[in-house]
Amino acid sequence: KQEVTQIPAALSVPEGENLVLNCSFTDSAIYNLQWFRQDPGKGLTSLLLIQSSQREQTSGRLNASLDKSSGRSTLYIAASQPGDSATYLCAVSNAGNMLTFGGGTRLMVKP
Amino acid sequence: DGGITQSPKYLFRKEGQNVTLSCEQNLNHDAMYWYRQDPGQGLRLIYYSQIVNDFQKGDIAEGYSVSREKKESFPLTVTSAQKNPTAFYLCASSIWAPGSNQPQHFGDGTRLSIL
Repeated sequence: KQEVTQIPAALSVPEGENLVLNCSFTDSAIYNLQWFRQDPGKGLTSLLLIQSSQREQTSGRLNASLDKSSGRSTLYIAASQPGDSATYLCAVSNAGNMLTFGGGTRLMVKP
Repeated sequence: DGGITQSPKYLFRKEGQNVTLSCEQNLNHDAMYWYRQDPGQGLRLIYYSQIVNDFQKGDIAEGYSVSREKKESFPLTVTSAQKNPTAFYLCASSIWAPGSNQPQHFGDGTRLSIL
């Protein structure tokens, strides 16, 4: 059974820092990997989707990489801002488009 | 605007009561999903449906029931058999294209609490 782990569970950084969030998964037979953002009491907003054949995706200050063989992905956030404070979730999909989620990383960016 | 609407935003359940959470989408998506999120944890799949009048159990279906009578709607009933229903419930939808996984789009969730 697929298991997804996110480290760290919580992170607090000063504004302007570059930071890396980690996601690992146990079964490399995935179709894609997605990073989501969740604000308190809200639904999920998709940030980046990496297909299994891709190595990375970029959107603005966000860059996500995927190493399928080692079962790892990282989300890099450049020049962090207080508005980046949220919980970040990664999820992997299998052949039936079922998503398995990690527990999330709760990020706080201090002004 | 196209999107997914969940209602109500907050819901309270009394002991022994069934409650139904609504999920409606106007994205013309074939597939719809229900997830449960507990504090500080990721999402777990309750039920999903890839086509009208058909649905499948996810990882934690016990104590829940669903119906899919219309493409746009996928209501979730939390029955009295669900002993720990307090959680945040999220509905999602996606295009269903076998062999080509499509991103899921999420609603804003319903928070269910026990009185």
